[in-house]
Amino acid sequence: AQSVTQLGSHVSVSEGALVLLRCNYSSSVPPYLFWYVQYPNQGLQLLLKYTSAATLVKGINGFEAEFKKSETSFHLTKPSAHMSDAAEYFCAVSPPGAAGNKLTFGGGTRVLVKP
Amino acid sequence: DTAVSQTPKYLVTQMGNDKSIKCEQNLGHDTMYWYKQDSKKFLKIMFSYNNKELIINETVPNRFSPKSPDKAHLNLHINSLELGDSAVYFCASSQPVSADNEQFFGPGTRLTVL
Repeated sequence: AQSVTQLGSHVSVSEGALVLLRCNYSSSVPPYLFWYVQYPNQGLQLLLKYTSAATLVKGINGFEAEFKKSETSFHLTKPSAHMSDAAEYFCAVSPPGAAGNKLTFGGGTRVLVKP
Repeated sequence: DTAVSQTPKYLVTQMGNDKSIKCEQNLGHDTMYWYKQDSKKFLKIMFSYNNKELIINETVPNRFSPKSPDKAHLNLHINSLELGDSAVYFCASSQPVSADNEQFFGPGTRLTVL
């Protein structure tokens, strides 16, 4: 069984500061990994995904994430936070080769950006 | 153009009632999903259909019954609603059935059971 842990349910950053959201996974094989963002009262939108190509993945809105197999991590970063980054962020895993595309989500991290 | 749409956006109802939530996607995808997001924002998959066939059925009470009349639609019917069913329900779609494919989410339906 797979699981995803996001450390920190809330993160507060100042505008212009580094955003770092942590995600660790547990899986018997390296899974596919995703970061989704949820703006208030909206559905989820894909930020980026890791599918066993490059370990450093660049996504939309200046976000990137690095897959580290040895640490079973897929942390999300953005060098300079913008007010529009205030949202809920979800890390998710999907087992390669499984029937269907079954995403297992972490508990989410709410990002607050202070002016 | 809305890619994945859900109706209604809000649903308030009494315990014991039966209700349906509709989902439509215009992306031409073969696979559709239902997720439940609880009050703590925890998201969990409920069902997935590929080309109108059920392929994922998580441990969900049988009061919940998905129906896919065609591959562009996946509706969720809930019988005998309970307080614990209060949540936001998200529909999603992807193409094709592959573990690395992006899922596109609808705006959600907030269900409140009184």
